[in-house]
Amino acid sequence: DGGITQSPKYLFRKEGQNVTLSCEQNLNHDAMYWYRQDPGQGLRLIYYSQIVNDFQKGDIAEGYSVSREKKESFPLTVTSAQKNPTAFYLCASTGTGRHQPQHFGDGTRLSIL
Amino acid sequence: QKEVEQNSGPLSVPEGAIASLNCTYSDRGSQSFFWYRQYSGKSPELIMSIYSNGDKEDGRFTAQLNKASQYVSLLIRDSQPSDSATYLCAVTLSSNTGKLIFGQGTTLQVKP
Repeated sequence: DGGITQSPKYLFRKEGQNVTLSCEQNLNHDAMYWYRQDPGQGLRLIYYSQIVNDFQKGDIAEGYSVSREKKESFPLTVTSAQKNPTAFYLCASTGTGRHQPQHFGDGTRLSIL
Repeated sequence: QKEVEQNSGPLSVPEGAIASLNCTYSDRGSQSFFWYRQYSGKSPELIMSIYSNGDKEDGRFTAQLNKASQYVSLLIRDSQPSDSATYLCAVTLSSNTGKLIFGQGTTLQVKP
């Protein structure tokens, strides 16, 4: 079945460590997005990519980095510069054309050790 | 002013009642509007989309859009305990980047 796969489901980060969250989609979608969700809050956009080898910062990009080397993959690295990384991270993708909704993966829950 | 505003709730309704969830947005040029349902600890799931003024019905769900008032709502008829979740309103920007702006969500509690 087509969908978006995020891994791992749970991730723990030590102080000073970079960690990478995986997002893979087989929906043939051009655009992919990373969101952060804190308890009781809405979704905040970290980075997005509308095409391979190109990406843009969202509202809260500081302390994060991404790459888009393949259409199917959009990994997110949470760097040591992100001082408060504990959150629920969601990856989404959308097709081209008007009125396309975003579809989400199951998310990765990141915590600090 | 927030770009997409929702009442955080909780909105509590008895089983079988109609639940009404509301959302206002600030970008007058927005073209696409979505409602997502998010159960606790899970990712958002698309339940309704609407693009034209008026009502759109899908089963027990009805989305209503009024672009002049910059207002979109979701009605859930015959509410069930399984409808208890947070409902997120999402709106595209008129800049057509494909980005969605999400409200903070309204928590719905359906009591048996």
